Amino acid sequence: EPEVTQTPSHQVTQMGQEVILRCVPISNHLYFYWYRQILGQKVEFLVSFYNNEISEKSEIFDDQFSVERPDGSNFTLKIRSTKLEDSAMYFCASSTGGWTGELFFGEGSRLTVL
Amino acid sequence: QKEVEQDPGPLSVPEGAIVSLNCTYSNSAFQYFMWYRQYSRKGPELLMYTYSSGNKEDGRFTAQVDKSSKYISLFIRDSQPSDSATYLCAMSGNKAAGNKLTFGGGTRVLVKP
Repeated sequence: EPEVTQTPSHQVTQMGQEVILRCVPISNHLYFYWYRQILGQKVEFLVSFYNNEISEKSEIFDDQFSVERPDGSNFTLKIRSTKLEDSAMYFCASSTGGWTGELFFGEGSRLTVL
Repeated sequence: QKEVEQDPGPLSVPEGAIVSLNCTYSNSAFQYFMWYRQYSRKGPELLMYTYSSGNKEDGRFTAQVDKSSKYISLFIRDSQPSDSATYLCAMSGNKAAGNKLTFGGGTRVLVKP
């Protein structure tokens, strides 16, 4: 069964360092997303991406964040200068773009900022 | 008022019981309503999807949406220990694909053998 894969599963970094989280969406999907979940809190939308550009972003997704689809398979989230409050589980998701709205989520990348 | 509210639980039921979950919301623009299941340290998995008001049934799962009351429900019949997980409601205002989902905080469910 096709699935969304994310790497790394866990990353520990120092405050101020740059982090890149990687995702391989399901191959025939057209929409890509990043969500995050701070421990004990809700899953929150960060950004959606379609046709090589951002289609929507939340207020969380400030200038410290960027997304990229550098080739035909990977979708990355970059945090330029990490803060303590960026510690969270980051989920990548993808969908076909059909109106069923089924987002397939990866297992997440846990980011710990020290 | 929070945009989407969900009782965090935990909700503990014996095997075979009906599990009843619900969410309330404040944004009347929401039209698409979803229930996700999340096992510990895993990503959310879509269980049910409904558009506007009404009921939808899929096997042991029934989803209900009452837009007039801004209230959605998920019922799990004949619950199994494997149903033990956190259940998240999610909703969006436009075609779900390509637009953000707003999640509830999740209800932890424990089904005891």
